[in-house]
Amino acid sequence: GAVVSQHPSRVICKSGTSVKIECRSLDFQATTMFWYRQFPKQSLMLMATSNEGSKATYEQGVEKDKFLINHASLTLSTLTVTSAHPEDSSFYICSAAPRTDQETQYFGPGTRLLVL
Amino acid sequence: QKEVEQNSGPLSVPEGAIASLNCTYSDRGSQSFFWYRQYSGKSPELIMSIYSNGDKEDGRFTAQLNKASQYVSLLIRDSQPSDSATYLCAVSLFSYGQNFVFGPGTRLSVLP
Repeated sequence: GAVVSQHPSRVICKSGTSVKIECRSLDFQATTMFWYRQFPKQSLMLMATSNEGSKATYEQGVEKDKFLINHASLTLSTLTVTSAHPEDSSFYICSAAPRTDQETQYFGPGTRLLVL
Repeated sequence: QKEVEQNSGPLSVPEGAIASLNCTYSDRGSQSFFWYRQYSGKSPELIMSIYSNGDKEDGRFTAQLNKASQYVSLLIRDSQPSDSATYLCAVSLFSYGQNFVFGPGTRLSVLP
């Protein structure tokens, strides 16, 4: 149980384009989903917290107009990187806290984004 | 500012030995503590959670929490080469797993 999927696993795009990443909880409902970014050899940095049906809460320094988050249902959250630039190239990881067991977070496999 | 600190390593131990990973945190109000393992290029996977002072054991893993010292550790007994990974300490102000602050991680290398 507690499986989280992400799609795509890897994406290469041109500078200026937008990229959408999906995060799904496959066998549980998640009231809250989290989006992290991880640069090489660095730890995870929380970008935003998203609650189903409400606006995401962004961490300081994260541009909400650049990183659009939609948590449309209890099993799906999407992150759209708008007008991507090479410095947005990173490993994006989502996690989900099960509604019935909010003691922890379960992580998706991550999406590696490369912006050329 | 909330901070979670770990030695970056690498920490090298021989196969079969005990690996000891340490983590300190700055926010005295922190309530829940987690250890995650992350293999290179993969996302983190939960190893253990701990909420109360003392020890919590699960198989070869033991988590230790000392809130007075703001310190949490992870012991890995009978270390195996497959344990070689980066271990992330995560701390939350909440009694449930919300709004983690992750440490930088300690890279563990178990030598056969």
